[in-house]
Amino acid sequence: EPEVTQTPSHQVTQMGQEVILRCVPISNHLYFYWYRQILGQKVEFLVSFYNNEISEKSEIFDDQFSVERPDGSNFTLKIRSTKLEDSAMYFCASRGLERFRGTNEKLFFGSGTQLSVL
Amino acid sequence: SQKIEQNSEALNIQEGKTATLTCNYTNYSPAYLQWYRQDPGRGPVFLLLIRENEKEKRKERLKVTFDTTLKQSLFHITASQPADSATYLCALNTGGFKTIFGAGTRLFVKA
Repeated sequence: EPEVTQTPSHQVTQMGQEVILRCVPISNHLYFYWYRQILGQKVEFLVSFYNNEISEKSEIFDDQFSVERPDGSNFTLKIRSTKLEDSAMYFCASRGLERFRGTNEKLFFGSGTQLSVL
Repeated sequence: SQKIEQNSEALNIQEGKTATLTCNYTNYSPAYLQWYRQDPGRGPVFLLLIRENEKEKRKERLKVTFDTTLKQSLFHITASQPADSATYLCALNTGGFKTIFGAGTRLFVKA
């Protein structure tokens, strides 16, 4: 089965530093997402991206966050100036436009990047 | 705004029994509802999707029901096995591009 790939698996950074989390979605998918999960809490929606622009974002996704699809394969999440409370697991997900096994609503998630802000 | 509640944080059952997990939502009924499995340190994995015009959907030992009157979905695992131990997440689309998740129910299946 095709996979969403995320790198790095772990990222440690100092407060105030910029980080870029990288994702390679499934190749024929057109919708891309970032979610985060603080330890012991639920998976929270951050942003969705379609047709080279943000289609929806949550209140968490403030000016410190940005997303980009710099080429045909990568999808990145940048946090400009990290805070302690940004420490979390960040998941990338993608979804196909065409029907896949009878549904196109299925989200495929990567294994995540564990971000630790010190 | 739409909220999802999953009935309990944890559910302990004996191997071979049926596990039943509950998902309730507020506000409007979504066009469809999904269930995912999440193992520790891993991303959610899609299990089943049920649409608003479907009462029940099955896949092997899994069954999902959807009651738009009660604003509730039930997720059943029959003949449960220790390998079914995981967190199960209910998810729904809020319209447009956004899918939100419940906090999940941790299932422990004892041998």
